[in-house]
Amino acid sequence: GAVVSQHPSWVICKSGTSVKIECRSLDFQATTMFWYRQFPKQSLMLMATSNEGSKATYEQGVEKDKFLINHASLTLSTLTVTSAHPEDSSFYICSASLPPIAKNIQYFGAGTRLSVL
Amino acid sequence: GDSVTQMEGPVTLSEEAFLTINCTYTATGYPSLFWYVQYPGEGLQLLLKATKADDKGSNKGFEATYRKETTSFHLEKGSVQVSDSAVYFCALSERRDDKIIFGKGTRLHILP
Repeated sequence: GAVVSQHPSWVICKSGTSVKIECRSLDFQATTMFWYRQFPKQSLMLMATSNEGSKATYEQGVEKDKFLINHASLTLSTLTVTSAHPEDSSFYICSASLPPIAKNIQYFGAGTRLSVL
Repeated sequence: GDSVTQMEGPVTLSEEAFLTINCTYTATGYPSLFWYVQYPGEGLQLLLKATKADDKGSNKGFEATYRKETTSFHLEKGSVQVSDSAVYFCALSERRDDKIIFGKGTRLHILP
């Protein structure tokens, strides 16, 4: 099946630094990737939809200058948390879809736990 | 807007017990419905899906039926195993886009 790899799985950083998270589709080309954020005991909240070669579409309330998304190739999307602060500590999850073959089916990475000190 | 509500966990059962995890949804259109499962240390995996009313999704002994009249998609399994211990997410997706809306997840513990 389709595999999505996310790296790193866990990162600790100092307040004010930037952190980059990578999301790769290993055995398929993903024209669309999604970035989610998950708080403890809460649902996955969609942050943005990333299409290869174009600007990401951010959900309402998500700061695009804070969470930079780049989808430069069909197998790689990155999320950069700029000038991270403790309130950015969370679990970040990416996914990729395979339209038009499997519209609405997403394949998920294992997630990245970010801890900002 | 669209939303998904599922029973809060954790749910703890003994091996071979019957499992039900309730899920109800609110949607403006006719969404596809999903159950995703997240095993410890892994990403979410699609467990089963149903795309229209009265459809039954099934996989690995789990079943869920798309009930339009009650806007529900309850997950059931007749005899759970320790290996079923995981977090289960109910979700929906409208046909107009690829976005998926998730419930909060239900953690399931199966005791040997």
